[in-house]
Amino acid sequence: RKEVEQDPGPFNVPEGATVAFNCTYSNSASQSFFWYRQDCRKEPKLLMSVYSSGNEDGRFTAQLNRASQYISLLIRDSKLSDSATYLCAPKGGAGSYQLTFGKGTKLSVIP
Amino acid sequence: EAQVTQNPRYLITVTGKKLTVTCSQNMNHEYMSWYRQDPGLGLRQIYYSMNVEVTDKGDVPEGYKVSRKEKRNFPLILESPSPNQTSLYFCASSLFPSGNSYNEQFFGPGTRLTVL
Repeated sequence: RKEVEQDPGPFNVPEGATVAFNCTYSNSASQSFFWYRQDCRKEPKLLMSVYSSGNEDGRFTAQLNRASQYISLLIRDSKLSDSATYLCAPKGGAGSYQLTFGKGTKLSVIP
Repeated sequence: EAQVTQNPRYLITVTGKKLTVTCSQNMNHEYMSWYRQDPGLGLRQIYYSMNVEVTDKGDVPEGYKVSRKEKRNFPLILESPSPNQTSLYFCASSLFPSGNSYNEQFFGPGTRLTVL
């Protein structure tokens, strides 16, 4: 099983739609999880962090399922500006300093 | 402005010609890291540094060297570049990660390297 797996997409959704991405991870010791957003040819930027069961920030909701070892990102009321690649990054367990990035899921929001 | 800077942003070079990509951060971060990003492979860590004079290998260190003589700088050195090192390189920094603490990694703008 790969360390971090994401559906590469692309997800093509109309404006206003709700879209969800899943990310599975293999390291059961991971305690902290991050979603980064990356625009084409630009640097990744932190979107959300998840430590317990979930986190919500405006139109974005991240949920964690430790038993099944996956985290999800839900985007409500999609905007054109949400078009980007979304990277999932679990942090290793206590004592680890590394993030392991998934390959990303590409989202295109269509007018 | 808090930021991570990289230079050069774009570089085309030839096989075997030593090069250095600089990375500098002004946030007094202890942790710094280099990644490469390739289509279909995602972001992969090359080397990281926990603090001055403390460096360690990431997932793909072959063909690269780093140094951390000052807290703010973390240069990436390719002693003898090869075409398979053609990639998009990102430097990142964060506060020292401890336990499960939250530590956002701030990324530089990237360096696009082509080795002919």
